[in-house]
Amino acid sequence: GQNIDQPTEMTATEGAIVQINCTYQTSGFNGLFWYQQHAGEAPTFLSYNVLDGLEEKGRFSSFLSRSKGYSYLLLKELQMKDSASYLCAPMDSNYQLIWGAGTKLIIKP
Amino acid sequence: GAVVSQHPSWVICKSGTSVKIECRSLDFQATTMFWYRQFPKQSLMLMATSNEGSKATYEQGVEKDKFLINHASLTLSTLTVTSAHPEDSSFYICSARSEDREIVTQPQHFGDGTRLSIL
Repeated sequence: GQNIDQPTEMTATEGAIVQINCTYQTSGFNGLFWYQQHAGEAPTFLSYNVLDGLEEKGRFSSFLSRSKGYSYLLLKELQMKDSASYLCAPMDSNYQLIWGAGTKLIIKP
Repeated sequence: GAVVSQHPSWVICKSGTSVKIECRSLDFQATTMFWYRQFPKQSLMLMATSNEGSKATYEQGVEKDKFLINHASLTLSTLTVTSAHPEDSSFYICSARSEDREIVTQPQHFGDGTRLSIL
């Protein structure tokens, strides 16, 4: 079957760094996406990894290890506006996104 | 580019009412549109996938007679919740997929969602 596993909730301090881990099992694999979702809003695209390694985009970086079925999203210099849910979504062999429940990130001053 | 417009953003209505939600791709042709439902603190749940000009494919457990999906053109898909009841209250989100060449770099463009509250 297909499965996504990421922590339900994490707390971090403004200005700090946080890493959100994700492990996955899918039927085939065509890359992994990270989305940000604020409460009551639709998800917004953050990053995409298809090859192993780290992709950096400003304060956000995403890492992928295909052999381990593992990815993480790294957020640096945390700001209060980063408080949101972060969704790990691998793409299966049919190019369908598989959604996990997401990690709710709480930023404290 | 790649803007998806979803209307209405908020609906409150009485039990038994049918509610139609529209999803439009404003600046691209969407060969495939997706309809999701999300209950509080839960993950996105794919309800159905629709392709222009053909019948929607519903996920297991989703009643196709209850949730009518029409994808009549490459820029418009509608979801009608028929005879809505309080348990149908949820956040409904549509997304659209553009040309295949973008499929792996930006697989879905999301609308802003519709919050449906049935009294």
